[in-house]
Amino acid sequence: NAGVTQTPKFQVLKTGQSMTLQCAQDMNHNSMYWYRQDPGMGLRLIYYSASEGTTDKGEVPNGYNVSRLNKREFSLRLESAAPSQTSVYFCASSEREGPNEQYFGPGTRLTVT
Amino acid sequence: GESVGLHLPTLSVQEGDNSIINCAYSNSASDYFIWYKQESGKGPQFIIDIRSNMDKRQGQRVTVLLNKTVKHLSLQIAATQPGDSAVYFCAENPPRYKLSFGAGTTVTVRA
Repeated sequence: NAGVTQTPKFQVLKTGQSMTLQCAQDMNHNSMYWYRQDPGMGLRLIYYSASEGTTDKGEVPNGYNVSRLNKREFSLRLESAAPSQTSVYFCASSEREGPNEQYFGPGTRLTVT
Repeated sequence: GESVGLHLPTLSVQEGDNSIINCAYSNSASDYFIWYKQESGKGPQFIIDIRSNMDKRQGQRVTVLLNKTVKHLSLQIAATQPGDSAVYFCAENPPRYKLSFGAGTTVTVRA
């Protein structure tokens, strides 16, 4: 039982390049989330998926797109990376939408030059 | 802006002492609160949660206290150990919204 896994762990992009961050969970959770974490700030929600087949914007969705590929997998795509997207990205999952514990992956550290 | 905040960005604690980490939240309608621990280079890890119909909840070496009157949440760690050194986040969950995280408190345990 690996919990929440993310790939890659590290990535360096040039401005304008695109990439997809992958996330998978093996806990049969319905809801999944993407956050970004910047120095001195808390986690900010980018997008979430309450259940398979649905996605919704969070607090900071601009510049990102997501795909809930199936119940296990939720990917985050940067179509044209910008230096402002330099951050650590965390994927999380929870059993259901609403107030309950979220389980986090180990993160992807992204640098955009 | 931040809807959840921590009173102190850093806390230094002597090994063996008890730690108290404070958190102020802004939404009086929030009905669920959660504490996470994040070690360097890792993802946040669940510590304990509490619902608004409770004032106190205890876990293993940790206690969360909720004071809804002043919108204050605290995490108490008993007999702090070196492995407790980390950043601690509180988060609140208002109805119909998602978890909102504070900026975190960095706890350093002195040997």
